[in-house]
Amino acid sequence: EIVLTQSPGTLSLSPGERATLSCRASQSVNSNYLAWYQQKPGQAPRLLIYGTSSRATGIPDRFSGSGSGTDFTLTISRLEPEDFAVYYCQQYRSSPPRYTFGQGTKLEIK
Amino acid sequence: QVQLQESGPGLVKPSGTLSLTCAVSGGSISSSNWWSWVRQPPGKGLEWIGEISHSGSTNYNPSLKSRVTISVDESKNQFSLKLSSVTAADTAVFYCARHLALGGTTSFGIWGQGTLVTVSS
Repeated sequence: EIVLTQSPGTLSLSPGERATLSCRASQSVNSNYLAWYQQKPGQAPRLLIYGTSSRATGIPDRFSGSGSGTDFTLTISRLEPEDFAVYYCQQYRSSPPRYTFGQGTKLEIK
Repeated sequence: QVQLQESGPGLVKPSGTLSLTCAVSGGSISSSNWWSWVRQPPGKGLEWIGEISHSGSTNYNPSLKSRVTISVDESKNQFSLKLSSVTAADTAVFYCARHLALGGTTSFGIWGQGTLVTVSS
């Protein structure tokens, strides 16, 4: 089983600042199969990034994803008030089919 | 715009079976290859439960495989989850999701709003 470890657990920043969230895998992940989600309190997760770096429909271009192998990053270039939420990375492995999530990074207002 | 809506009992007794349905609206369940269930215990992270194709093929999380059954009903445009022998540890918000498969990628593109199921006597 691939374990995803996200860091930091909590990130305290101010609107307008740049946020860098890390997701490290215990084994190499196919870059096609790494995604990021945003979840606000009381809401379902929302897909932000798929295939490591492709933005989902309607996602602002201040969100970007990068990485390969075991190290992946979600960057928010300039934080807006609505960006403060919990972020999860997720990977898929096909043999056998299995999806796993990181434990999440909480992005809070400083 | 495809929308998903979970439904089912909000309270299940220990050792019982949790049963949920995900109704698909705004599109056909046959239009997407795979559909999944994901759960989230209160205050905790996300856990994938299993997936089903519109034709009925399934894959389950090995940690839950012995207790999980996912089925599809194309005529009703919905799919369902059954989780047996539940305990308090199964208390969670349960989400259904539609997979997004573009250019060889896979992710959970659309999510239902989620439904809280509490296991308690």
